Amino acid sequence: AQSVTQLGSHVSVSEGALVLLRCNYSSSVPPYLFWYVQYPNQGLQLLLKYTSAATLVKGINGFEAEFKKSETSFHLTKPSAHMSDAAEYFCAVSDGTGGYNKLIFGAGTRLAVHP
Amino acid sequence: DAGVIQSPRHEVTEMGQEVTLRCKPISGHNSLFWYRQTMMRGLELLIYFNNNVPIDDSGMPEDRFSAKMPNASFSTLKIQPSEPRDSAVYFCASSSNWSEGWQYFGPGTRLTVT
Repeated sequence: AQSVTQLGSHVSVSEGALVLLRCNYSSSVPPYLFWYVQYPNQGLQLLLKYTSAATLVKGINGFEAEFKKSETSFHLTKPSAHMSDAAEYFCAVSDGTGGYNKLIFGAGTRLAVHP
Repeated sequence: DAGVIQSPRHEVTEMGQEVTLRCKPISGHNSLFWYRQTMMRGLELLIYFNNNVPIDDSGMPEDRFSAKMPNASFSTLKIQPSEPRDSAVYFCASSSNWSEGWQYFGPGTRLTVT
């Protein structure tokens, strides 16, 4: 069965520092992987997705993620954090069954950015 | 497109009352998902539909919860009777791509049961 583990429920960085949010997955089929961002009092917004094309995926707001099959990882990075990046980030893997688009979400990582 | 539309955005009700949450998916999307988000339990999938048919309702917590999708442009999630522990943010999401799985989320309904 598919599953997602996000290491670190809270991450704090300084403005301008590297952002690294970790995600490991388990999947019995070639996975489709996603990162979503949730700003306070808002719904989840798709940040980027991996669907078996290039392993390095670029998303919105300067974020990118690299799919590493050997490590079963899909970590999210951004070279320089901005105050506006403070939000909760969710990694998700497609369920892979029946084509119904069900996603399995990780528990989320709350990113804090301080001056 | 206006995106996924949910109403109401906020709902405050008393314990024992019936609550109905509404969702309009993005036009052309054929899958619809209802989620619940709380601090304690995080994001939980309650039920999802494909082509208006419920596919998996194993996440529905109790018989007090029910969901319908009478047509491709409308879905409801009903709680009857409501309890304080149902207080949460309820999200609706829709999707159109069978092979890639990405979902578009609505803004959510914040439900408070007193």
